[in-house]
Amino acid sequence: NAGVTQTPKFQVLKTGQSMTLQCAQDMNHNSMYWYRQDPGMGLRLIYYSASEGTTDKGEVPNGYNVSRLNKREFSLRLESAAPSQTSVYFCASREIFNQPQHFGDGTRLSIL
Amino acid sequence: TQLLEQSPQFLSIQEGENLTVYCNSSSVFSSLQWYRQEPGEGPVLLVTVVTGGEVKKLKRLTFQFGDARKDSSLHITAAQPGDTGLYLCAARAGDSNYQLIWGAGTKLIIKP
Repeated sequence: NAGVTQTPKFQVLKTGQSMTLQCAQDMNHNSMYWYRQDPGMGLRLIYYSASEGTTDKGEVPNGYNVSRLNKREFSLRLESAAPSQTSVYFCASREIFNQPQHFGDGTRLSIL
Repeated sequence: TQLLEQSPQFLSIQEGENLTVYCNSSSVFSSLQWYRQEPGEGPVLLVTVVTGGEVKKLKRLTFQFGDARKDSSLHITAAQPGDTGLYLCAARAGDSNYQLIWGAGTKLIIKP
């Protein structure tokens, strides 16, 4: 039972480098989400995709782009990484509203 | 701006003790969810409460949604080391069918 799979699990980047975080779900869920989690701040929504072919900004979208490649996959791209983007990034998916969001195990990203 | 405030931020108690953690807001929510997150993993849904005054039990965990649907509590009876984790509350953001707002969490440690 894979659920939501995120790759990579860890990454260290230098300021200015670019990177794509990958997420795939095998539960046939319509909506997918990217969050960042920082100490003392809970989860903050970066972008979400309500369904295949659509994406929308969340609370903290600046510095990020996303692609909903198909129903299974939702990627997050940092075009020019900054130290402020050091965080743990979580991908989640959900079938319909009020159903649980299912999370991956996160990508721990450090920007030096 | 809708906010969810969780208290306490940190709680360390001995095995067998009882505890209550809180999730409060000045906003009214149509539903509220509680998640538990263990180190190195994503959050996992524990319960969704929908009706004001609702009480739900999950083994030794009791969840209550306030009558006015502005707050919620989680009570653990006879805490065990397996209850250790970060407890997060989340609620629907405004009228969005997709966005949740999240509390910063209560970090709970149960010492054997």
